[in-house]
Amino acid sequence: DAGVTQSPTHLIKTRGQQVTLRCSPKSGHDTVSWYQQALGQGPQFIFQYYEEEERQRGNFPDRFSGHQFPNYSSELNVNALLLGDSALYLCASTRRGLGSDTQYFGPGTRLTVL
Amino acid sequence: AQKVTQAQTEISVVEKEDVTLDCVYETRDTTYYLFWYKQPPSGELVFLIRRNSFDEQNEISGRYSWNFQKSTSSFNFTITASQVVDSAVYFCALIPYSGGSNYKLTFGKGTLLTVNP
Repeated sequence: DAGVTQSPTHLIKTRGQQVTLRCSPKSGHDTVSWYQQALGQGPQFIFQYYEEEERQRGNFPDRFSGHQFPNYSSELNVNALLLGDSALYLCASTRRGLGSDTQYFGPGTRLTVL
Repeated sequence: AQKVTQAQTEISVVEKEDVTLDCVYETRDTTYYLFWYKQPPSGELVFLIRRNSFDEQNEISGRYSWNFQKSTSSFNFTITASQVVDSAVYFCALIPYSGGSNYKLTFGKGTLLTVNP
């Protein structure tokens, strides 16, 4: 049973560029959430996707956008990259239910902005 | 708003010692769920446990045990006879019960546990 997968593992970009990160949820899961984890901090919620729509959003600017595909996989897009966007980006998946179901995380994509 | 505090930034122990990681939370919700995750150097968050706010029974799983005390808003995690493989960052997290509308986990800042041989 495959867990949550993310690609790429590492990414280096320069300020002002755009980046796309990808996530495939755990088998049987239909809800995907994205988190940003800065060095030495806990993960911060970016947004959540279900049925190909953004359902919930954290305190992140519009430069952060996403998409969910019919197969439940998801993309996170960040435009006009800033140095402060350097972080580990984690994808989590769960089965839609009570909202309290356990979220399972992928290995993350480490983004470095120079 | 929810808040999770892990006051211990770093803990260092010698193998076979017992160690307790503290977690204190704040929420106005009467029903909520608490979690512990482990983050090894590889970066992936590994789920360890989920507890409901209405179930205060302590839980033991092998060398791991959890002490949930609603009266003090604490959900502490104890590793008995620690091993080098337990070295990781441990996160406590909370999510209110929402009937399916809220998927935002609120995390603490984490505790870095180093177990030395």
